[in-house]
Amino acid sequence: GAVVSQHPSRVICKSGTSVKIECRSLDFQATTMFWYRQFPKQSLMLMATSNEGSKATYEQGVEKDKFLINHASLTLSTLTVTSAHPEDSSFYICSALQGGGETQYFGPGTRLLVL
Amino acid sequence: LAKTTQPISMDSYEGQEVNITCSHNNIATNDYITWYQQFPSQGPRFIIQGYKTKVTNEVASLFIPADRKSSTLSLPRVSLSDTAVYYCLVGEAGGAGSYQLTFGKGTKLSVIP
Repeated sequence: GAVVSQHPSRVICKSGTSVKIECRSLDFQATTMFWYRQFPKQSLMLMATSNEGSKATYEQGVEKDKFLINHASLTLSTLTVTSAHPEDSSFYICSALQGGGETQYFGPGTRLLVL
Repeated sequence: LAKTTQPISMDSYEGQEVNITCSHNNIATNDYITWYQQFPSQGPRFIIQGYKTKVTNEVASLFIPADRKSSTLSLPRVSLSDTAVYYCLVGEAGGAGSYQLTFGKGTKLSVIP
């Protein structure tokens, strides 16, 4: 149990385009999901908290107009990187909060490369 | 916001027990401690979670002293496939749907044949 999927697993796009990443909890409902970004050889950095049916909460320094988050159902959250630039190239990982709300289960990650 | 400190790297031979300690001096009352394993280009995998004292599951044990200012992940009899980065995460649910989550920098464990 507690499986989280992400799609796509990797994407290459041109600078200035937008990219959408999906995060799904496959066998449980998740009121809350999280989006992280991880640069090479670094730890995970929390970008935002995604709550079903309400606006996402963004961490300091994360542009909410650039990283659009939608959590329309209890099993799906999406992250859209708008007008992507090369510096947005990174490994994006989502997680979903299960049960009583203390355990995160992570997706496999999405590798984004912006040319 | 609880900050965590872990050793940057550790080496171990196959078959040995490995203990990785994480310091979290300003852990809050509501914070749980969770450990994850991450392989390159993969999402973190849940290992174990605890609040205080000792927790054991089929893959690891977690020791948390009474003051909760640190925690130790114990991996019994490691194998080459345990080579990975291990993160401790301390976090709590805040108000209005917000969460305060801090990942440590991680400990790169290298298991040597």
